Amino acid sequence: SAVISQKPSRDICQRGTSLTIQCQVDSQVTMMFWYRQQPGQSLTLIATANQGSEATYESGFVIDKFPISRPNLTFSTLTVSNMSPEDSSIYLCSVRKGGTVEAFFGQGTRLTVV
Amino acid sequence: GENVEQHPSTLSVQEGDSAVIKCTYSDSASNYFPWYKQELGKGPQLIIDIRSNVGEKKDQRIAVTLNKTAKHFSLHITETQPEDSAVYFCAADSNSGYALNFGKGTSLLVTP
Repeated sequence: SAVISQKPSRDICQRGTSLTIQCQVDSQVTMMFWYRQQPGQSLTLIATANQGSEATYESGFVIDKFPISRPNLTFSTLTVSNMSPEDSSIYLCSVRKGGTVEAFFGQGTRLTVV
Repeated sequence: GENVEQHPSTLSVQEGDSAVIKCTYSDSASNYFPWYKQELGKGPQLIIDIRSNVGEKKDQRIAVTLNKTAKHFSLHITETQPEDSAVYFCAADSNSGYALNFGKGTSLLVTP
């Protein structure tokens, strides 16, 4: 498995501001993903964070709104930009190690936009 | 893309009874089917998974079955306990084989 730490665990933000969420893994991983989980809903993939290159975004998510960095094999950030109340969700970091199929999740960041 | 349907959305059982959650998927190329348990305020935790080359896998009180022909898989929890109460998500790997597509979740309540 992998130990995944997300920061912050929760935050309340003003609309129009931006929040950067950090994901730190205790070992090198091949794949890192960011998911959104709206209240009471399932998990939706935002993007795949690629090490050393631009993230790969899913339909409905754009880089200007959700810029992602992945400077190395153990760390990634997701920024939620120009926030509105509709961005209130849990944001989850997920990782997969090379040669394995299992995916593990961080504890999530609970974001409330007011 | 892959579409994963999960039923039921809520399930209430008495302690000691069994619970079954069912999922169907659309992409016949999917090969990996994990199940996650999410407790309140926590991230999803992988509890069991199955690959397409087997039909059943068991780990103590939980088991998963897979029918590739019918494209459905199920989670079985026996001798349920109150601590089994949580939201359970099924998932299937995507076309790229990297990310997962999730079902909508089942809220399981085990009453003493």
